Amino acid sequence: DGGITQSPKYLFRKEGQNVTLSCEQNLNHDAMYWYRQDPGQGLRLIYYSQIVNDFQKGDIAEGYSVSREKKESFPLTVTSAQKNPTAFYLCASSSRDSQSSDTQYFGPGTRLTVL
Amino acid sequence: AQKVTQAQTEISVVEKEDVTLDCVYETRDTTYYLFWYKQPPSGELVFLIRRNSFDEQNEISGRYSWNFQKSTSSFNFTITASQVVDSAVYFCALSVMEYGNKLVFGAGTILRVKS
Repeated sequence: DGGITQSPKYLFRKEGQNVTLSCEQNLNHDAMYWYRQDPGQGLRLIYYSQIVNDFQKGDIAEGYSVSREKKESFPLTVTSAQKNPTAFYLCASSSRDSQSSDTQYFGPGTRLTVL
Repeated sequence: AQKVTQAQTEISVVEKEDVTLDCVYETRDTTYYLFWYKQPPSGELVFLIRRNSFDEQNEISGRYSWNFQKSTSSFNFTITASQVVDSAVYFCALSVMEYGNKLVFGAGTILRVKS
């Protein structure tokens, strides 16, 4: 089945630690995105990548880093510089073809808690 | 600047009632897309519909219908004969070409359908 997978589903981190959230897609999509969701709020864009080996900062990139070495994978690292990392993280991907025109499809999410 | 407003934070209805979720958007771009996503308790965002700015036809899909009105910058979502399984958070989102087709989300509306 084609889709987007995120792991782990739940992640606990001690203060001062870096952690990496995994996102993989087998939809052959060019573009991938990371969003953060806080309670009672909409999603906010952290980073996005429209092609392999290239990525751009979103609205709240501080304290996060990404890489895009393969088309299928877009891991997100939450660094110790992120002051309030406890949140729900969602990964998405989209095709660049004219038919679907950038409709983003989402993974199941990772809930990160800082202890 | 782009903005999406979902003024209804939470709505509670009894099963079989009809319910309308409001969405108002702001953009100066003439080419844009509007989306609705559903987020059930599991957390994954489920794509429901995409509408481009040049297509103001209303759409119906089963019990779901959408009313797009450019004159009032609104893209409202109606669920007819609601069911308990419709309970979720619903997000309206906007993407514009000038903004690189990145999604801007509203804060979401929590819909609770009681049996």
